[in-house]
Amino acid sequence: DTGVSQNPRHKITKRGQNVTFRCDPISEHNRLYWYRQTLGQGPEFLTYFQNEAQLEKSRLLSDRFSAERPKGSFSTLEIQRTEQGDSAMYLCASSLLGGKGRAEAFFGQGTRLTVV
Amino acid sequence: SQQGEEDPQALSIQEGENATMNCSYKTSINNLQWYRQNSGRGLVHLILIRSNEREKHSGRLRVTLDTSKKSSSLLITASRAADTASYFCATVPLGGNQFYFGTGTSLTVIP
Repeated sequence: DTGVSQNPRHKITKRGQNVTFRCDPISEHNRLYWYRQTLGQGPEFLTYFQNEAQLEKSRLLSDRFSAERPKGSFSTLEIQRTEQGDSAMYLCASSLLGGKGRAEAFFGQGTRLTVV
Repeated sequence: SQQGEEDPQALSIQEGENATMNCSYKTSINNLQWYRQNSGRGLVHLILIRSNEREKHSGRLRVTLDTSKKSSSLLITASRAADTASYFCATVPLGGNQFYFGTGTSLTVIP
């Protein structure tokens, strides 16, 4: 499978616990994005990387959220001290910038987080 | 805050009919993209239209872009039950790098 892969697909956690999600982008893609989507809404931008550099973070990304992309390949999104309001679908996308890249973003299936 | 807004929020049609959904956005853009999302799944890229293009076709999809009105439309011709999904427009602001999504149109195609 050469698409964007996200793990786990589902996560149920107790309030106050830490959770970490992983995203494996399409291998040649240099840009990686994280979005959050709640029921009935469109995806909201959280952060993006170009290669290993985190270039932009949304104000939605509180201090409890941290994302990394070591070596410019896979990425992790960690949420510390989870709150019920963190319950959402977390989507990862990747794209290829430059050359013949047309900047379409390809999305993974998402990780659905439920905080109880 | 979200950049775009789709209209209508929900649309229900009979199989074989055409479906039109609209997207309005707020700032100048580099390009606009349409995505489909089946319930509980990730987004699937449908089509990209650049700011200097006015119309694009892909199979049963036709997208128009009017930058003077900051709006786009997605037409799905000869709809099928499998087209039932939510459809989102996403814009890349001029000089920006991230995608901003609208609120989506929920399309139901009745067999």
